[in-house]
Parts: sequence; C-alpha cells; structure tokens
Amino acid sequence: DAGITQSPRHKVTETGTPVTLRCHQTENHRYMYWYRQDPGHGLRLIHYSYGVKDTDKGEVSDGYSVSRSKTEDFLLTLESATSSQTSVYFCAISPLAGQETQYFGPGTRLLVL
Amino acid sequence: RKEVEQDPGPFNVPEGATVAFNCTYSNSASQSFFWYRQDCRKEPKLLMSVYSSGNEDGRFTAQLNRASQYISLLIRDSKLSDSATYLCVVTWATASGTYKYIFGTGTRLKVLA
Repeated sequence: DAGITQSPRHKVTETGTPVTLRCHQTENHRYMYWYRQDPGHGLRLIHYSYGVKDTDKGEVSDGYSVSRSKTEDFLLTLESATSSQTSVYFCAISPLAGQETQYFGPGTRLLVL
Repeated sequence: RKEVEQDPGPFNVPEGATVAFNCTYSNSASQSFFWYRQDCRKEPKLLMSVYSSGNEDGRFTAQLNRASQYISLLIRDSKLSDSATYLCVVTWATASGTYKYIFGTGTRLKVLA
C-alpha cells in the first residue's frame, strides 16, 4: 500500500469554525489531491497540487483553501465550516498526472453541526 | 449528461456467477481508464487499469470500447469477498495542460452465498 496518512480520521466541529485536515505521504510523489465523497456525487476534486507551493482549484473549491510547503504534506483548510461541508474527505497522490493511477489515503470523516 | 456514468446497482449475484459492469464517458479525447474498488467506509483502491487491447487479471477482465465510449469490467466466478462498490475513472487533458480525473459514482455489487 502507498504510504499515505490522513489526520484526523474523524472530526466533529461546529458551523463557523475553521478546520484543517492533513495529508502526509512517504512516496515522494509530485501530485497530491483533495477530494470529497458524498452519496450520489462520487468523488469530487476540491484542490490539487503539482509541486511545493503549486496548487490549483478543482470543481468544488469554494470554501476551501490548501497549502503545500513540503513535498510530503498537503493541508486542506475549511475557512469557516458549514453543514454542507459534512463529508468524507480523501487525499490522493500520484507520481504523474493523467496517465498514472492515484493512490488514496484512508479518509477523514467530518461532521459539521 | 454526466461526464462519467455508471449504473448504481446494486447487482445481487450468487457466488460463482459472472457479472459485468459498464461505464460510459462523454469525452472522446479521454486518455486513461481505471477501475477502482471501494469497500464500505474505506478508501478507493486500484483494481486495474484498462488498456485499449483489453486486459485480464485473474478473474477480472477489463475492456475499452473507444468507438462507443465505454469501459467494462467482467468478474468471473464471483466470491463473497468481491462484494464492494466498483468505481470507474477516466482521465483527460484540459486546455491548460493539466489532467482531470473523473470518477463515476460507482456500481454496488453484492455476492450472495
């Protein structure tokens, strides 16, 4: 299995509070991604990174920001959590984009009350 | 039309049965194709890539039909342990030179004893 960890694995928070999720990899892969998974929607890309300090938006980026200061860490921040951001968040990594498969972390279950 | 579509199922089949899933995609310029397996409350894991000539891995066979824009997954001699949700993934290059990974919402398989 690819070396990807996510923390925390579960979190309950209140509306309006900031939340930061962490993805850590030991594979030295260039690309890192944040997805959310909701019933009926499949996996939707929030943000991705193609190198240290290089990030870009995905299809559902509103209300989220990311940072990547080291190859191994990719942080996702919910600036002011809302109930619509209750979801399962997955981090993924890949060595190349497009032709290569992505490897997923174990996920973070977030509940916003 | 969704970019990637799958029949959500569930497909309920007896042990030993053969079952097939299809996944249609809308972008004729799609480049890479994958099948993932996702167990309940777990992360997606790569099952197999899909190559133009078709490919087989044990009891699993994947095929690509570019003319009709679909990929398929065939599972022979189903096992109880095959019960999971199967996600198809399609990638293509965007105008900006990045790649999009588009996930289907998944097809649920239940193998019955």
